[in-house]
Amino acid sequence: AQRVTQPEKLLSVFKGAPVELKCNYSYSGSPELFWYVQYSRQRLQLLLRHISRESIKGFTADLNKGETSFHLKKPFAQEEDSAMYYCALLQGAQKLVFGQGTRLTINP
Amino acid sequence: GAGVSQTPSNKVTEKGKYVELRCDPISGHTALYWYRQSLGQGPEFLIYFQGTGAADDSGLPNDRFFAVRPEGSVSTLKIQRTERGDSAVYLCASSRSPSGRGTGELFFGEGSRLTVL
Repeated sequence: AQRVTQPEKLLSVFKGAPVELKCNYSYSGSPELFWYVQYSRQRLQLLLRHISRESIKGFTADLNKGETSFHLKKPFAQEEDSAMYYCALLQGAQKLVFGQGTRLTINP
Repeated sequence: GAGVSQTPSNKVTEKGKYVELRCDPISGHTALYWYRQSLGQGPEFLIYFQGTGAADDSGLPNDRFFAVRPEGSVSTLKIQRTERGDSAVYLCASSRSPSGRGTGELFFGEGSRLTVL
């Protein structure tokens, strides 16, 4: 079965500390993976996609096919990074399959 | 407005009643998606439209759930004989995706929170 696993429901770090949100996937083809974010009282929105190989708001994510992982990282956390983060896998042509999410809290 | 619009934002109904949830996508977006999000879970795919037709309805849980998009723009998700387990936030999203493989960039609405008593 094709699925996305985010092992941590909650993650709390101090401001300025490094952050890593874990995501593992199972997929039989060539995966396309994404991170979505939902800030408090805002809509769910795309943060970054692995194909773009970009850094957004200081976050990066590298696809590791050997470990079937797509962990989201930021070297120095900021308070405004507090949000729900969802890893997602593109299944077929159009369907996104989401993990259950990780609530990230940045403590001052 | 520029974003995906969903109405109602909140709906409380009684078990056994019929419910309609509406989604108005971003103008020009041909693809439209419905997701359901239960408490503590990620969004769960229900159905996806390309234009007027349902291209993939594999996520609809049973035949009480039905969705339409008659003119290729606004969509309505219909739930018959509601059950308490249907309580969730129903999210609508749209994307450009004129044809073929999607970009994976979905633009979400704020959701309709359904509570079945």
